[in-house]
Amino acid sequence: DSGVTQTPKHLITATGQRVTLRCSPRSGDLSVYWYQQSLDQGLQFLIHYYNGEERAKGNILERFSAQQFPDLHSELNLSSLELGDSALYFCASSLMDTSYNSPLHFGNGTRLTVT
Amino acid sequence: AQKITQTQPGMFVQEKEAVTLDCTYDTSDPSYGLFWYKQPSSGEMIFLIYQGSYDQQNATEGRYSLNFQKARKSANLVISASQLGDSAMYFCAMRAQGEAGSYQLTFGKGTKLSVIP
Repeated sequence: DSGVTQTPKHLITATGQRVTLRCSPRSGDLSVYWYQQSLDQGLQFLIHYYNGEERAKGNILERFSAQQFPDLHSELNLSSLELGDSALYFCASSLMDTSYNSPLHFGNGTRLTVT
Repeated sequence: AQKITQTQPGMFVQEKEAVTLDCTYDTSDPSYGLFWYKQPSSGEMIFLIYQGSYDQQNATEGRYSLNFQKARKSANLVISASQLGDSAMYFCAMRAQGEAGSYQLTFGKGTKLSVIP
């Protein structure tokens, strides 16, 4: 158990809808990273938050947004969903945001299916 | 920009044999970390082993070892005495400062390992 909690585990929704994915990082971790895993694109970095502030954006669509709250949990909001947004979405956490020598600890992911 | 290349989409290994999964990397950052993760069919990402760019010795964690050749920019994972439970996707990843200073993990496309009884 990595200590990172993601909810829900599965989400099935229709095109055009909006969903919210939730992540609670490991106790004490201040950094939260969001990743998207799809068959054709592999594991893609979406966005990074550290202690409530956005630190970096990766390949995140404008229809997607995220935030990290004062209690350090994070939410990823996906809107105007398209079939191509179907993927496994991971949240990962780490203590520091400027460290190359510690692993990211991943949650079990939220599997999103857009029909 | 960081780049990770895994050239083996799939590998087969006989149970109890050793197997090497290849990984090459590219970065302009002098300080970086190299990681291997395992993703079973159930989907979770499990951290296996870490190697730092300044580490002189190869990392080992139980049956996992990392063959780090800095000059060749390679960080191959060696799994000894393969078990059926080792069947999974394996991802090589790198963590470095990068242009955004975010230290996010950059992943390769993965290698699917199948252990044959």
